[in-house]
Amino acid sequence: TQLLEQSPQFLSIQEGENLTVYCNSSSVFSSLQWYRQEPGEGPVLLVTVVTGGEVKKLKRLTFQFGDARKDSSLHITAAQPGDTGLYLCAGARGSTLGRLYFGRGTQLTVWP
Amino acid sequence: NAGVMQNPRHLVRRRGQEARLRCSPMKGHSHVYWYRQLPEEGLKFMVYLQKENIIDESGMPKERFSAEFPKEGPSILRIQQVVRGDSAAYFCASSRPDRASGANVLTFGAGSRLTVL
Repeated sequence: TQLLEQSPQFLSIQEGENLTVYCNSSSVFSSLQWYRQEPGEGPVLLVTVVTGGEVKKLKRLTFQFGDARKDSSLHITAAQPGDTGLYLCAGARGSTLGRLYFGRGTQLTVWP
Repeated sequence: NAGVMQNPRHLVRRRGQEARLRCSPMKGHSHVYWYRQLPEEGLKFMVYLQKENIIDESGMPKERFSAEFPKEGPSILRIQQVVRGDSAAYFCASSRPDRASGANVLTFGAGSRLTVL
């Protein structure tokens, strides 16, 4: 069973469009992280959110942690081909120190 | 680049052989994690180690898999008598607490891709 469900699984859009990726769970997390992974490489951390309702912005990327700390979203404005990659959300639970639970990921392709 | 170093990057083994994957954490990091990634699946936690201690191995198969992080040298994930189902990308990560949030921030290596023939 997957603790974190990501949707959509695949997303193919044109340059300049906006998009939102969702990460949902029925469990509460002490923190949630978003990673981006390129083919043949390891995931690279984009952001960590820890407070319910928290919103963080990283240039054209906006991350939100749900009020109940069970879900999160990643919104990209005016997507560019360089945004192409696998976006992974990962949650930490206070009871399992250090361990992260990953979603299956959203494969984003941005066409020029 | 003082990031997490994994080797080998690619490893091919025949069924029944042993695979050894090595991971050197980032400088100053004393916590190491191993994750496995199968095609179209997310990263699955395997084991969490500190120097000379296994903290959490709940994600590691009971048979054939073992991990260590000795006082000196890299962490090693060992798979004995490999089977085709062991073919996957194995990622190591090391961590430090994030100063701003206090959350555990993982830095991943580039992975070791194991192919079992």
